[in-house]
Amino acid sequence: SYVLTQPPSVSVAPEKTARITCEGNNIGSKSVHWYQQKPGQAPVLVIYYDSDRPSGIPERFSGSNSGNTATLTISRVEAGDEADYYCQVWDGSNYVLFGGGTKLTVL
Amino acid sequence: QVQLVESGGGGVQPGRSLRLSCAASGFIFSSYAIHWVRQAPGKGLEWVAVFSRDGGTKFFADSVKGRFTIYGDNSKNTIFLQMNSLRAEDTAVYYCTRVPLGTTNGAFDIWGQGTTVTVSS
Repeated sequence: SYVLTQPPSVSVAPEKTARITCEGNNIGSKSVHWYQQKPGQAPVLVIYYDSDRPSGIPERFSGSNSGNTATLTISRVEAGDEADYYCQVWDGSNYVLFGGGTKLTVL
Repeated sequence: QVQLVESGGGGVQPGRSLRLSCAASGFIFSSYAIHWVRQAPGKGLEWVAVFSRDGGTKFFADSVKGRFTIYGDNSKNTIFLQMNSLRAEDTAVYYCTRVPLGTTNGAFDIWGQGTTVTVSS
């Protein structure tokens, strides 16, 4: 079965750029969605279809997807970006997969 | 206001049953498939099941197949997750979320606040 692999944690200083990866076999052929989840809250969609941003999500959030790696990039990181981030794809037409999640720490 | 609201969580003994509800408002319910996603304490997100009214689509993760069922109440814009033969590993916060019908790879744009299920003796 298909597997999505994310690093457990990423640390970044404020105002720097954070990159969170999501690896999967030929993931570039799939559409990848990214969610942000803060403690005690429901997930929030931050990137859909690899690189589109929902309304209300800052332009600092961007995404890319090619080959075996999809990447969520957060520019000019702020303290409020500290959260868990999950990538998600569809495995076939009816089944959904999430990556294991990455905890972003703002130093 | 577009909204999904879960209810029905609580504490239950292993082997018993529980029914969760997901009530939708503010959007055309019949235009979306409703999914359940759960999160065990300190763990990541795990997809559980999907239901869509158009063709009666119902699919389940292997971890719950044969124990959980899903159905809808059209008049109340509500989806129910019937959980039977509960196990300790079913302990989690259960979220419902939506994706537009007709998409085979869409994103979950709206999530409920979650309802907590604790399975323990």
